[in-house]
Amino acid sequence: AQSVTQLGSHVSVSEGALVLLRCNYSSSVPPYLFWYVQYPNQGLQLLLKYTSAATLVKGINGFEAEFKKSETSFHLTKPSAHMSDAAEYFCAVKGPLSQGGSEKLVFGKGTKLTVNP
Amino acid sequence: SAVISQKPSRDICQRGTSLTIQCQVDSQVTMMFWYRQQPGQSLTLIATANQGSEATYESGFVIDKFPISRPNLTFSTLTVSNMSPEDSSIYLCSVAGYETQYFGPGTRLLVL
Repeated sequence: AQSVTQLGSHVSVSEGALVLLRCNYSSSVPPYLFWYVQYPNQGLQLLLKYTSAATLVKGINGFEAEFKKSETSFHLTKPSAHMSDAAEYFCAVKGPLSQGGSEKLVFGKGTKLTVNP
Repeated sequence: SAVISQKPSRDICQRGTSLTIQCQVDSQVTMMFWYRQQPGQSLTLIATANQGSEATYESGFVIDKFPISRPNLTFSTLTVSNMSPEDSSIYLCSVAGYETQYFGPGTRLLVL
């Protein structure tokens, strides 16, 4: 079974500041991990994914995340926030099919990012 | 990646009625999923729909309330039956891609 915990339902940063959104996971099999972004009144867009290759994953719009097995974490970062980054961010986990997982994604509760001018 | 469209994009419905949501994909896919996102909440999987077989429902969701059709590899429908205000949510379809899922834009449903 898998689960995801996102610490902080709301995060507020100033434009140009570091963005750090936290995600911790629990998984009975080696996990695949994802970050999705949801802009207001839109669906979910894949930001980046970890699928057991490089532990530091780079995604779109300057975001990156690092898989840390020892900490069971997959935090999302961006060095400099932009106003257009204001959105809700969801961390998700699934197990690879080859290791007894399924195609089902389990989502965290989401973190709403506000960027202040 | 897959391009996914949903119809309608939003609707306001009266309680007791039913709404059918359509999901169209620009390529053939084996697995499609339907999620519900209640106001201010995360996504919850309703069911998995494979072409040619009955949908598989998650705990807490039943076919009588959320019947699903999957007539071919590019299309699926989700019906929300006998609606109540508690069904007010965003309903999203997604498809399984390579090691990930791609999501449609969602259908925003308000039940009065």
